[in-house]
Amino acid sequence: KAGVTQTPRYLIKTRGQQVTLSCSPISGHRSVSWYQQTPGQGLQFLFEYFSETQRNKGNFPGRFSGRQFSNSRSEMNVSTLELGDSALYLCASSLMGQGPTGELFFGEGSRLTVL
Amino acid sequence: GQQVMQIPQYQHVQEGEDFTTYCNSSTTLSNIQWYKQRPGGHPVFLIQLVKSGEVKKQKRLTFQFGEAKKNSSLHITATQTTDVGTYFCAGLTGANNLFFGTGTRLTVIP
Repeated sequence: KAGVTQTPRYLIKTRGQQVTLSCSPISGHRSVSWYQQTPGQGLQFLFEYFSETQRNKGNFPGRFSGRQFSNSRSEMNVSTLELGDSALYLCASSLMGQGPTGELFFGEGSRLTVL
Repeated sequence: GQQVMQIPQYQHVQEGEDFTTYCNSSTTLSNIQWYKQRPGGHPVFLIQLVKSGEVKKQKRLTFQFGEAKKNSSLHITATQTTDVGTYFCAGLTGANNLFFGTGTRLTVIP
């Protein structure tokens, strides 16, 4: 069974630009969560999608948005990029989402550098 | 707000020594999960604890969930160089929000 696939793996943007990251979950998994990982802040929860609906949202500004498609693939978008958005963005899929059986399977991440 | 604190932030041990990382939550958790992230890698699920006072073992790793379901620990006996990485706990609240601890980075000196 293929794992969680994230694209692109690396990207460089400049301040003010926008970026779209993609995540393909494990086949059969309906939940996709997104996390921002930085050295100083650890893993910060962005949002979770389940069956195309945003089910949970973390404490990030509205510049961060996401969506999920009918095939469970998910995208996240960051608009008006700031230097502080430089981070590793991790996507995680699970069968039913965050809950008693919510083991998360992480992708390799998309490393974003904002110049 | 909800926080999951994890200590220590860094730990250097000689190979063969034991290692423990601790997680504390400000509120009662539904369950707690543990993940390991190797340098340059992504977090990998280790285990989930659900019951109050639960203890689970995986070879040299022992996981505990506190009686009040607010704290947890991961203990590694006789560390090996393959144990290097960052260990994260992740606590699930009753509202189904998952909060990750800040992680403990383990270095094992051969």
